[in-house]
Amino acid sequence: AQKITQTQPGMFVQEKEAVTLDCTYDTSDPSYGLFWYKQPSSGEMIFLIYQGSYDQQNATEGRYSLNFQKARKSANLVISASQLGDSAMYFCAMRGVQGAQKLVFGQGTRLTINP
Amino acid sequence: GAVVSQHPSRVICKSGTSVKIECRSLDFQATTMFWYRQFPKQSLMLMATSNEGSKATYEQGVEKDKFLINHASLTLSTLTVTSAHPEDSSFYICSARRGGGRGANVLTFGAGSRLTVL
Repeated sequence: AQKITQTQPGMFVQEKEAVTLDCTYDTSDPSYGLFWYKQPSSGEMIFLIYQGSYDQQNATEGRYSLNFQKARKSANLVISASQLGDSAMYFCAMRGVQGAQKLVFGQGTRLTINP
Repeated sequence: GAVVSQHPSRVICKSGTSVKIECRSLDFQATTMFWYRQFPKQSLMLMATSNEGSKATYEQGVEKDKFLINHASLTLSTLTVTSAHPEDSSFYICSARRGGGRGANVLTFGAGSRLTVL
């Protein structure tokens, strides 16, 4: 079975600072994908970044980067130069081979950016 | 980019009535769509996988007769909450995968539908 764990229910960060959101996972699949989604108060799920288990380099997308440490089974999201608009819920998710295309989500972290 | 439209965004209904929620892929074909449910301040829980032209695959604990899923075309999946009760009140979100190419790994989500059953 696949499991995603986000241990930070809430994070408070000053604007312009960098922030790391933690995510650890557990799977027996040899190949898997890791995702981060942002959910603002409106409820929509916004895709941020993807990391494949066989990718050699850590994924980056603009201000978002994924600190992928396979041996430790962690996939932390790093947001550089945080902005007020970054305040939202952030979900880490995983897709494995056995699970077809469905995603298993972590509990989420509520990030609040303070001015 | 891949766009998924979900309708209605909000619906309020009386207990005992049925509610239909639509999920459309606007600029791509989706042979598979997924329906999630999210309770307040909680994570997304997968309810079922909707397969075009065949029966949906439900997750353990999800009542098939309660949550009817129809995927009649490559761009439309519907979720019908039958005989809704207050405990069915929740945020329902659909998602779809754009097949092939660079975007193949990413699921695109609809904006969600907030159901309130009185």
